[in-house]
Amino acid sequence: RKEVEQDPGPFNVPEGATVAFNCTYSNSASQSFFWYRQDCRKEPKLLMSVYSSGNEDGRFTAQLNRASQYISLLIRDSKLSDSATYLCAVNRGSGAGSYQLTFGKGTKLSVIP
Amino acid sequence: DGGITQSPKYLFRKEGQNVTLSCEQNLNHDAMYWYRQDPGQGLRLIYYSQIVNDFQKGDIAEGYSVSREKKESFPLTVTSAQKNPTAFYLCASKLIQDNQPQHFGDGTRLSIL
Repeated sequence: RKEVEQDPGPFNVPEGATVAFNCTYSNSASQSFFWYRQDCRKEPKLLMSVYSSGNEDGRFTAQLNRASQYISLLIRDSKLSDSATYLCAVNRGSGAGSYQLTFGKGTKLSVIP
Repeated sequence: DGGITQSPKYLFRKEGQNVTLSCEQNLNHDAMYWYRQDPGQGLRLIYYSQIVNDFQKGDIAEGYSVSREKKESFPLTVTSAQKNPTAFYLCASKLIQDNQPQHFGDGTRLSIL
């Protein structure tokens, strides 16, 4: 099992749709989880951290399932501007690993008018 | 403006040449990172540094070198030993506390002449 795996893309959805991405991780010692957004030929930008109890930021909801070792990102009421690649990132556990992130390869989202 | 500045934005390397990519941050972040991103691939960790005058190899350190003489600066040298240097190079930094996300500079695109 790869360290961090994401849903294969691309996801093509109409404006206004709800879309969900999953990301599984293999290291049960991981403690920090993040979603990043990356536009074409740009740097990744932090979208949101993922907290144990789940968290919401406007149209975006992130959840963590430690038992099954995955995180999810839900986007409601998709906008054209949501079109991007979404990367999940998971830290490598405790000690020195806590400072390092492993990134998924990303899932490309295209929101269609 | 607070942030992470990478330069140059585009860089071309000749055969047998060493080139250095600059990364400067004024966020007072403790830890700094260098990643490489190839098309269709996730981010791969080259080197990281948690503190001044100390740095650690990441997953793909061969052919690269770094220094961390100042907290604000973490330059990456791509040596002639790196036979496939064409990629998008991303510098990131974070506060040392657990659960803090990494933030990225806007990247350097390196190509072979």
